[in-house]
Amino acid sequence: EVQLVESGGGLVQPGGSLRLSCAASGFTFSTYWMSWVRQAPGKGLEWVANIKQDGSEKYYVDSVKGRFTFSRDNAKNSLYLQMNSLRAEDTAVYYCARLSDYSNFDYWGQGTLVTVSS
Amino acid sequence: QSALTQPASVSGSPGQSITLSCTGTSSDVGGYNYVSWYQQHPGKAPKLMIYEVTNRPSGISNRFSGSKSGNTASLTISGLQAEDEADYYCSSYTSGSTYVVFGGGTRLTVL
Repeated sequence: EVQLVESGGGLVQPGGSLRLSCAASGFTFSTYWMSWVRQAPGKGLEWVANIKQDGSEKYYVDSVKGRFTFSRDNAKNSLYLQMNSLRAEDTAVYYCARLSDYSNFDYWGQGTLVTVSS
Repeated sequence: QSALTQPASVSGSPGQSITLSCTGTSSDVGGYNYVSWYQQHPGKAPKLMIYEVTNRPSGISNRFSGSKSGNTASLTISGLQAEDEADYYCSSYTSGSTYVVFGGGTRLTVL
């Protein structure tokens, strides 16, 4: 059974940093692109970032470029999202998701809430 | 404002068929057959219901079907059931700087 479990969310002040993690199991992690998708409270879904199987390619939504860094450790079946210079508009539930066939997020974690507020 | 346009709400009675729309442009929905639909119940993670316009993942009921015409994709749910009440989001691969764009979501109410 495919499982994705996020952790690391919490309350952080504007300008602060936070590191999210996602532990994957139940599939051959190293053979899949992976993604982060976020959802602000009461709002829709927003793609945040993708990372290639070996971590050699990464793509980000414009609003987080230069502030967020997506990485992975295939030996630990884990993903990481380092978020710096956080803003109020980054407040959201962050989901890690498996990316299949270019643009299908076929499995999702339960999400972790990041709140940026003073 | 979302890149793809979905109606905010749709309602139907049990047993009926309803169709949800998702309108984009030639740079996303109209230009690629990479449209997906997700179902999200309150407080839960999204669930993939349709991918590549018409395909259903394993385990998804054949009451759910997808189609596309020009820049508009559609999700049809037949034989509406109470458990179908949820938010539905469409998404599409895009040639823009944003890899994938989502619609704003449609809240489906089963009367």
